[in-house]
Amino acid sequence: QSVLTQPPSASGTPGQRVTISCSGSSSNIGSNYVYWYQQLPGTAPKLLIYRNDQRPSGVPDRFSGSKSGTSASLAISGLRSEDEADYYCATWDDSLSVVFGGGTKLTVL
Amino acid sequence: QVQLQESGPGLVKPSETLSLTCSFSGGPISSYYWSWIRQPPGKGLEWIGYIYYSGITDYNPSLKSRVTISVDTSKNQFSLKLSSVTAADTAVYYCGGGYDFKFFQYWGQGSLVTVSS
Repeated sequence: QSVLTQPPSASGTPGQRVTISCSGSSSNIGSNYVYWYQQLPGTAPKLLIYRNDQRPSGVPDRFSGSKSGTSASLAISGLRSEDEADYYCATWDDSLSVVFGGGTKLTVL
Repeated sequence: QVQLQESGPGLVKPSETLSLTCSFSGGPISSYYWSWIRQPPGKGLEWIGYIYYSGITDYNPSLKSRVTISVDTSKNQFSLKLSSVTAADTAVYYCGGGYDFKFFQYWGQGSLVTVSS
């Protein structure tokens, strides 16, 4: 049981816009930044979004993050086949630990 | 270009200590916080803990009693020891780093460690 709640799966067709939600509480998302990671099949995770809505250099602007209260979202616009991956949200929890969501498997139909 | 590489045994016996090392290149080790994260097969990510070059550490409360992370700045390496392992500790272990201990800009490729007799 993960501290942060994500839908186990999401899907979309090429060109569509898809959003992935991440729900937490006042002790984690409600009081800390949210981060998003993309894990392509068989590879290590990659930082996609930091501090709620910032993109590291090299991450396409098709990826965007937002946070409101105790929830956060990752949006992917102009969906492409290479976006098929697992996506994880993460944040700091006031219990003194980095916590992750359970992950969302994105399928591009 | 920051690069991380994990190394260590791929098989550990139950009740023994898992030991992994992460070698870092591409900048001064003092610039970043260094972490270990693991992922059981087919499951999600779990943060294990971090170390700063000065030796300051913090660990996941659920693993704290069994974890030790250390750093060797002269070798640009940091290490993980997890004691009294069980099958539940079987996972891909990643080393990671970043400007803040709360997120991971850089990742190693991962090292699968299986706990089995």
